[in-house]
Amino acid sequence: GENVEQHPSTLSVQEGDSAVIKCTYSDSASNYFPWYKQELGKRPQLIIDIRSNVGEKKDQRIAVTLNKTAKHFSLHITETQPEDSAVYFCAASKGGGYQKVTFGIGTKLQVIP
Amino acid sequence: GAVVSQHPSWVICKSGTSVKIECRSLDFQATTMFWYRQFPKQSLMLMATSNEGSKATYEQGVEKDKFLINHASLTLSTLTVTSAHPEDSSFYICSAGFADTQYFGPGTRLTVL
Repeated sequence: GENVEQHPSTLSVQEGDSAVIKCTYSDSASNYFPWYKQELGKRPQLIIDIRSNVGEKKDQRIAVTLNKTAKHFSLHITETQPEDSAVYFCAASKGGGYQKVTFGIGTKLQVIP
Repeated sequence: GAVVSQHPSWVICKSGTSVKIECRSLDFQATTMFWYRQFPKQSLMLMATSNEGSKATYEQGVEKDKFLINHASLTLSTLTVTSAHPEDSSFYICSAGFADTQYFGPGTRLTVL
């Protein structure tokens, strides 16, 4: 089955700096890569996703890159703010809403004011 | 749109009793729903895929006789934890697919005494 590795497990940055989280996946058939933000005790919230036919996607301060050949994808958050503090999960799937999603271990991001 | 609800949001039960958790898609029909378990400070682990009108597909290592899943309608899937024990205490989250994206319920915190 699919295996998603994520690092770092914890990340502290100063407010205004950038944060980068990296993930790798094992199954070359995976073609959908969502990123979720989870605050303590809450549900995961989709913040951005990318499909295998695209190499990069950006939404305001958040961007994701995908390298299919190397089977890795990354999340970039620029101009970080304290409210960005949360746990971020990368994930991989063979489809969109109807295929099971395999999650990475999560990265606890702390933005220091 | 694409709202998923869960009930109850939290439950405390005695060891040996059974607990039922409901997952509903409020504004869309979901032929496929997913059940995840999340232990503190850990990632989401897929337990099973719930298919409307047919048997659920369980992930390796998940006891299907202990975690009963029923997906009787296009908007409702239930997870019953039978003969619950303290080690079953966890955060249970469901998700449903809509428009090629998975949407998560708010989760149910189960504590078994």
